[in-house]
Amino acid sequence: DIQLTQSPSSLSASVGDRVTITCRASQSISNYLNWYQQKPGQAPKLLICAASSLQSGVPSRFSGSGSGTDFTLTISSLQPEDFATYYCQQSYSTPSFSFGPGTKVDIK
Amino acid sequence: EVHLAESGGGLVQPGGSLRLSCAASAFTFSSHWMHWVRQAPGKGLVWVSRVNSDGSSTNYADSVKGRFTISRDNAKNTLYLQMNSLRAEDTAVYYCVSATITGGVNYFDYWGQGTLVTVSS
Repeated sequence: DIQLTQSPSSLSASVGDRVTITCRASQSISNYLNWYQQKPGQAPKLLICAASSLQSGVPSRFSGSGSGTDFTLTISSLQPEDFATYYCQQSYSTPSFSFGPGTKVDIK
Repeated sequence: EVHLAESGGGLVQPGGSLRLSCAASAFTFSSHWMHWVRQAPGKGLVWVSRVNSDGSSTNYADSVKGRFTISRDNAKNTLYLQMNSLRAEDTAVYYCVSATITGGVNYFDYWGQGTLVTVSS
C-alpha cells in the first residue's frame, strides 16, 4: 500500500502569510494526487486534483505542484476563511485511495 | 447544485448492524462511481468502499472486508452501506462521496454532510 506523509502536521500563521504544505508518497504516484480542505464540523472540499489542477470555484491563491513522490500545496496569501485542516490523497494505487494524516492550519 | 444526503447513522451495540443510505440529487448519479469515506472523532479521513456506476463491481478496505457491503439503486439515486458485525473502531462519521475521473486521475468532487455511527455498549 502507498503511504502518504504530510509536513508539518500543524502550523500557525497570520492572515496574509504564504503557507506551504508538503505531501510525500512512499513510492512514485505520478500526478495522481489530490488536495482537500476540511473546516471543523464540515465535510471535506476538493481544492486541487491531479497535483495542480485547481477545482472550479476555488480561489487562485491556492496552488499545487509536484510529481512522483513529492507534492506541495501553497496558499499565497492566507485569508481568514483558510484556517482549516488540509489533506492530500493518492489515487494511483486504487482502490485504496489513501489520505495523508492532515495538516492543521490555525491562527497565530 | 449537487446534493448528497446521508442517513441511517446512530448508536449501535458491538456486533450489531446498521444500514446507511445516501440520497443523491442534481447530478447524473448513474454515471458516477460512488464511495464511502469515514472519519473517527478527531482523526483523519479513511477510504472505506467504492462501487462502480452500474453496481456490478465493488471494493473494500481490508478493515471492513467481509463485514460491510456497498450497493446502489440507480433508479432511486441512492447509495447504501450495509454494516454488520460492528466494532468500536467503526465509530466514525461516514461520508458519501462521488468520484470523477479526468485524465485517468480519480478525485472525490462531491461529499455529503456525513452521518455519525457510534458503536458502544
